Amino acid sequence: KQEVTQIPAALSVPEGENLVLNCSFTDSAIYNLQWFRQDPGKGLTSLLLIQSSQREQTSGRLNASLDKSSGRSTLYIAASQPGDSATYLCAVSRRSGGGADGLTFGKGTHLIIQP
Amino acid sequence: DAMVIQNPRYQVTQFGKPVTLSCSQTLNHNVMYWYQQKSSQAPKLLFHYYDKDFNNEADTPDNFQSRRPNTSFCFLDIRSPGLGDAAMYLCATSTGTANTEAFFGQGTRLTVV
Repeated sequence: KQEVTQIPAALSVPEGENLVLNCSFTDSAIYNLQWFRQDPGKGLTSLLLIQSSQREQTSGRLNASLDKSSGRSTLYIAASQPGDSATYLCAVSRRSGGGADGLTFGKGTHLIIQP
Repeated sequence: DAMVIQNPRYQVTQFGKPVTLSCSQTLNHNVMYWYQQKSSQAPKLLFHYYDKDFNNEADTPDNFQSRRPNTSFCFLDIRSPGLGDAAMYLCATSTGTANTEAFFGQGTRLTVV
C-alpha cells in the first residue's frame, strides 16, 4: 500500500527566504506526482505536475524535483512571500492499467511566511 | 472561470438525515473523483467514475454512495450521516490517461449536528 510522507509538518520562515518542502513515497511505481496548495477552508490548487519520466518542473518561483527510484520529491520556493502561506500537499498517482485510479496524498506541510 | 464547481460550499445536516453534495465540471473530463478530508488529514479517495463505470474504494463505508447522471455532474450521497462524517468533501476530475493532471473544486465543508 502506497504511503506518502511530508516533512516538515509545519514551517514558519521570514519573508524573502528560499525554502524546501519534502515528500517521500514508499512505492516507486507511479505515473506522476503533483504538488498542490490548499488555503484554509478551500479546495486544492494544482501547482506542478511531474510525470514519472521527468526529473523536475518549474513554474515561476516554484521548482519541483522527482527522484522516482528513491521515492522522493522536493518543492523549492524561491524568495518566499506572505501570500505563499498555505498548506502544501504532495500526491502520487496510483498506478494501474487504467491510469485513472486517483491520488494518494500526504498530510501536507503547513507553511507560514512572516512579513 | 471555475472548471470544477461544488455546491454548496458549506452544508449543515442533522445526525442521520440524508444529505447530497453536488459537483459539476466544464472540462468534459472522463473521470470524476470524490475525496474526504478530515481536519489536518490527507485527502482520502472514496470512489470515482470513469465515464459511467463506478469504482468504489475497498474501505469506503456503505453509508457513502455516488451517482453520475451525465458527463458534467456527479453527486455524493451520505445516507445516514454520523458525527464522524464531518469533513471537507473534495471533487476532482481528470481526462483518465496515465499522466493526467487532476483538477479540484473548492470543496464542500460538511457539518453534522
